[in-house]
Amino acid sequence: KAGVTQTPRYLIKTRGQQVTLSCSPISGHRSVSWYQQTPGQGLQFLFEYFSETQRNKGNFPGRFSGRQFSNSRSEMNVSTLELGDSALYLCASSSLTSEQFFGPGTRLTVL
Amino acid sequence: DQQVKQNSPSLSVQEGRISILNCDYTNSMFDYFLWYKKYPAEGPTFLISISSIKDKNEDGRFTVFLNKSAKHLSLHIVPSQPGDSAVYFCAASRFGTGNQFYFGTGTSLTVIP
Repeated sequence: KAGVTQTPRYLIKTRGQQVTLSCSPISGHRSVSWYQQTPGQGLQFLFEYFSETQRNKGNFPGRFSGRQFSNSRSEMNVSTLELGDSALYLCASSSLTSEQFFGPGTRLTVL
Repeated sequence: DQQVKQNSPSLSVQEGRISILNCDYTNSMFDYFLWYKKYPAEGPTFLISISSIKDKNEDGRFTVFLNKSAKHLSLHIVPSQPGDSAVYFCAASRFGTGNQFYFGTGTSLTVIP
């Protein structure tokens, strides 16, 4: 079974731009969660989608948004990028009975 | 507000000895806890979990202990192997809240051959 895939793996943007990250979950997994990892803060929960509906949301500004498609693939969008948005963005998928499986992440650098 | 804390950023242990990684949490509503291992350039991988109805869970060389009164959990690795060198994250959640997990900042374990 293929694992969680995230594209792109690396991204460089400038302040004020917007960015879209993509996550393809493991086949059959309907839950997709997004996390931001920074050196000082560890993994911070952004949001979770289940069957195309946002089920949980972390404490991030509205510039961070996401969606999930009918095939369970998910996208995360960050608008008006700030320097502090530079981080590793991780996506994780799970089924109703499994733990979360993480993708390798997208490394976003904001200049 | 960091609800899950790992106060040791790094730990070095000799091969064959015990590694003990610690984690503290502040939210008494948490009732499900996990440990993840992360290698560079890879996503975290699930290691072991424990629910609040238990105080210990074992899986091979890995044992997680939970002390609810102290809001503390620990991961014991015995014996430690060089391949265990990685960053370890603890995470916590409440049953029924989906997959909203709160993670610690991680402890980098180095096992010295």
